[in-house]
Amino acid sequence: NAGVTQTPKFRVLKTGQSMTLLCAQDMNHEYMYWYRQDPGMGLRLIHYSVGEGTTAKGEVPDGYNVSRLKKQNFLLGLESAAPSQTSVYFCASSFEAGVRSYEQYFGPGTRLTVT
Amino acid sequence: DAKTTQPPSMDCAEGRAANLPCNHSTISGNEYVYWYRQIHSQGPQYIIHGLKNNETNEMASLIITEDRKSSTLILPHATLRDTAVYYCIVRVPPYEAAGNKLTFGGGTRVLVKP
Repeated sequence: NAGVTQTPKFRVLKTGQSMTLLCAQDMNHEYMYWYRQDPGMGLRLIHYSVGEGTTAKGEVPDGYNVSRLKKQNFLLGLESAAPSQTSVYFCASSFEAGVRSYEQYFGPGTRLTVT
Repeated sequence: DAKTTQPPSMDCAEGRAANLPCNHSTISGNEYVYWYRQIHSQGPQYIIHGLKNNETNEMASLIITEDRKSSTLILPHATLRDTAVYYCIVRVPPYEAAGNKLTFGGGTRVLVKP
């Protein structure tokens, strides 16, 4: 049981390049999330999904797109990277609303630098 | 969701209890208090949550005042591995929160010293 995994762990992009971050979970969770964390700050929600085939905007969605084609995977895309997107990106998952859904499980993070 | 106020940082001695305060004076009747922590460079980790009763698990205890306007997370015997940023989050129950979302503030940076 690997929990929540993220690929890649580190990445350096040039301004204007694109990339996709992959999040995978093996806990059969319905809900998945993408957060970003800038230095010295708390986490901010980018996008989230409440089930396969669904996505919704969070607090800071601009410049990002997401897809949830399979229940276990949640992809975060940057179409044209900007230096302001330099951050650590965390994926998380949780059970759907109910008794077991008070906890979100987080991945180890992806450090992205855009030059 | 109610706003929380936490001290930006605190130190505690290894082996002693660490008491982390959180003020949430605007909390509503159905809002829960959650605590997460983030050890350096890692993803946040759930610690505990509560509504109005005190709660305890293998990691910590949560004490909520009777008027629910503040709470304290207690790490009973702090170790060096407890050095982390601790986040207090107040939010409605998962079944009332669209997408079961969490909002993280700045947290308290706790340094456990030998």
